[in-house]
Amino acid sequence: DVVMTQSPLSLPVTLGQPASISCRSSQSLVHSDGNTYLNWFQQRPGQSPRRLIYKVSNRDSGVPDRFSGSGSGTDFTLKISRVEAEDVGVYYCMQGTHWPKTFGPGTKVDIK
Amino acid sequence: EVKLVESGGGLIQPGGSLRLSCVASGFTISNFWMTWVRQAPGKGLVWVSHIKNDGSATSYADSVKGRFTISRDIAKNTLYLQMNSLRAEDTAVYYCTTLVISSPIDYWGQGALVTVSS
Repeated sequence: DVVMTQSPLSLPVTLGQPASISCRSSQSLVHSDGNTYLNWFQQRPGQSPRRLIYKVSNRDSGVPDRFSGSGSGTDFTLKISRVEAEDVGVYYCMQGTHWPKTFGPGTKVDIK
Repeated sequence: EVKLVESGGGLIQPGGSLRLSCVASGFTISNFWMTWVRQAPGKGLVWVSHIKNDGSATSYADSVKGRFTISRDIAKNTLYLQMNSLRAEDTAVYYCTTLVISSPIDYWGQGALVTVSS
C-alpha cells in the first residue's frame, strides 16, 4: 500500500498567520491517465471529514480561498494563508491514484 | 439537499454481527463508487470498502476481507455494510461517503459508531 506521511503532526498557529502542512507519499501519485489524485480533508472537532482540495490544487465549492494546495509526484503542501478560528481541526491528505486509497496520519491544527 | 444518513451502529460482543445502513438523498448512489471509511477512537481515517458505480465489483481492505460485505439497494438509494465476526479492533466510527477523487462533488455521512466489546 502507498504510505502517506504528514508533517508536522501538530501545528499550533496564531490567528491571522499562515500555516503549512506537508504530505509525502511512498510512491509517485501520477496516475497513468496523467492526473495526480491527491486530496485534502478537514475534520473539525466532533464533525465528519470534509474535502477541501482534490487533484492537488482544486478547491471544493464553498472552501475559502485562503486554502490552497500544491505539489507534484510525491511531495504536496496544503497552505492556509491566514488562519481563522474555524480552521481548528485535523487535516488529512489522501491518495486515490493507487489501490487501496490511503490517508495520511493527520495534522492537528489549533490556536496558540 | 444532499444527505447521507448512517444507522445500525451500536455495542456488540466480539464475534457478533451488525449491518450498517446509509440512506442517501439528493443524489443517486449508482452514480458513484460508494465507500465506507472508518475512524477508530482518536485515530485517523481508513478506507474499508467500496462498490463500483455499476455494482459490478466490490473491494475490501485486507483487515476486513472475508468478514465484511458491502452491498446496495438502488431502489432504496441505500448502501449497506454487513459486518460479521467482529473484533475489538473493528471499534470505530464508520462513515458512508462518495470519496470522489476527481470532480468537485464529495459527500460524507455523519458516521455510525460501532463498539465491539464484551
